Amino acid sequence: AQSVTQLDSQVPVFEEAPVELRCNYSSSVSVYLFWYVQYPNQGLQLLLKYLSGSTLVKGINGFEAEFNKSQTSFHLRKPSVHISDTAEYFCAVSPRGSARQLTFGSGTQLTVLP
Amino acid sequence: EAGVTQFPSHSVIEKGQTVTLRCDPISGHDNLYWYRRVMGKEIKFLLHFVKESKQDESGMPNNRFLAERTGGTYSTLKVQPAELEDSGVYFCASSQFPGETQYFGPGTRLLVL
Repeated sequence: AQSVTQLDSQVPVFEEAPVELRCNYSSSVSVYLFWYVQYPNQGLQLLLKYLSGSTLVKGINGFEAEFNKSQTSFHLRKPSVHISDTAEYFCAVSPRGSARQLTFGSGTQLTVLP
Repeated sequence: EAGVTQFPSHSVIEKGQTVTLRCDPISGHDNLYWYRRVMGKEIKFLLHFVKESKQDESGMPNNRFLAERTGGTYSTLKVQPAELEDSGVYFCASSQFPGETQYFGPGTRLLVL
């Protein structure tokens, strides 16, 4: 079984400041890792994913995440946020090599302040 | 290419009534997933279809929930009878192959009064 912990439920940050949204996971098997974003009144959109290879993954809208196997983390970062980045962000995992469901964290609400 | 669509976007019903949610996956995607997020909690897996067959329904909460995918295209999720704790957002997702990226719909917001 897998579990995902998003350590911060709310992250307020000023516009143009850097941000890091934290994600830790637990799993007895190797996993794929994902970050999804939900903008107000919209569905979930894939931001980025780690399947294999380079541990630094770049996604849409200037976001990136780094997979750290020893710390079982997959933190999401952006060097300079915009008002439009205000949304809820979800970290998720799924077991490698199978058609298994995603296991989500509880979400982090990022609010970018002017 | 059209994304995953869900209908209705919102539904308000009374306890004991029946509600049917519909999901249309991306064309050509054999894999269809249902998830649910109850208020303030994690998004949780309900079940997974491969074409018209239920591959995994381990997340279905109880027998008041019935999912179907006749013909392997769109899927329905029926809740009968609805209870207060069924309130939440129901998401549908699809993928072309097992284990590949899942694309989500906008969700159906269900409120049971």
